[in-house]
Amino acid sequence: EIVLTQSPGTLSLSPGERATLSCRASQSVSSSYLAWYQHKPGQAPRLLIYGASSRATGIPDRFSGSGSGTDFTLTISRLEPEDFAVYYCQQYGSSPLYSFGQGTKLEIK
Amino acid sequence: EVQLVESGGGLVQPGGSLRLSCVASGFTFRSYEMNWVRQAPGKGLEWVSYISSTSEKTIYYADSVKGRFTISRDNAKNSLYLQMNSLRAEDTAVYYCAGEDSYDSSGYNPTYAFDIWGQGTKVTVSS
Repeated sequence: EIVLTQSPGTLSLSPGERATLSCRASQSVSSSYLAWYQHKPGQAPRLLIYGASSRATGIPDRFSGSGSGTDFTLTISRLEPEDFAVYYCQQYGSSPLYSFGQGTKLEIK
Repeated sequence: EVQLVESGGGLVQPGGSLRLSCVASGFTFRSYEMNWVRQAPGKGLEWVSYISSTSEKTIYYADSVKGRFTISRDNAKNSLYLQMNSLRAEDTAVYYCAGEDSYDSSGYNPTYAFDIWGQGTKVTVSS
């Protein structure tokens, strides 16, 4: 079973700053199988990035994904007020079929 | 409007059963591979179950629900279901249906990511 560990648990930043979120896998993950989501309270999660670096439809270009193997990163180049939320990485594997990291809470400083 | 709408959640006693439904509109449901994902109070997202878009209906479950939950779909009704039996307190969560558009102009081309989600339905297992 591949375990995804996200860091930091909480990230406190101000609008306009750059955010760097990390997702580390316990075993190598194909880049094709790594996705990132944004989740706000009371709302449906939203797909941001798939295939480690491809932006989903309608996602602003301030969101970018990178990485390979066991280390993946979500970068938000310049934070907007609406970007403060919880972010999850997700991988597709064999058992379980999908798994999520524990999440990083991005909060306003 | 592209959307998924879940229903069927509620309060149930330990050992009881519930059937969740998810109705799709605004897109070609039969082309989507579908999943259930849950979020327990104060916790992160947990994948629960998957069903393929194809007629063979390939199905997978998380170990935590295997043998107790059953996923199914009815493409004619644009609907996804989750039959939950032998419910436990630890099944208390908001349950989301989530789909992946696994087809593009070149044919089957999965992204292994969930590009459409419902708003969720709350399940509480308590006596």
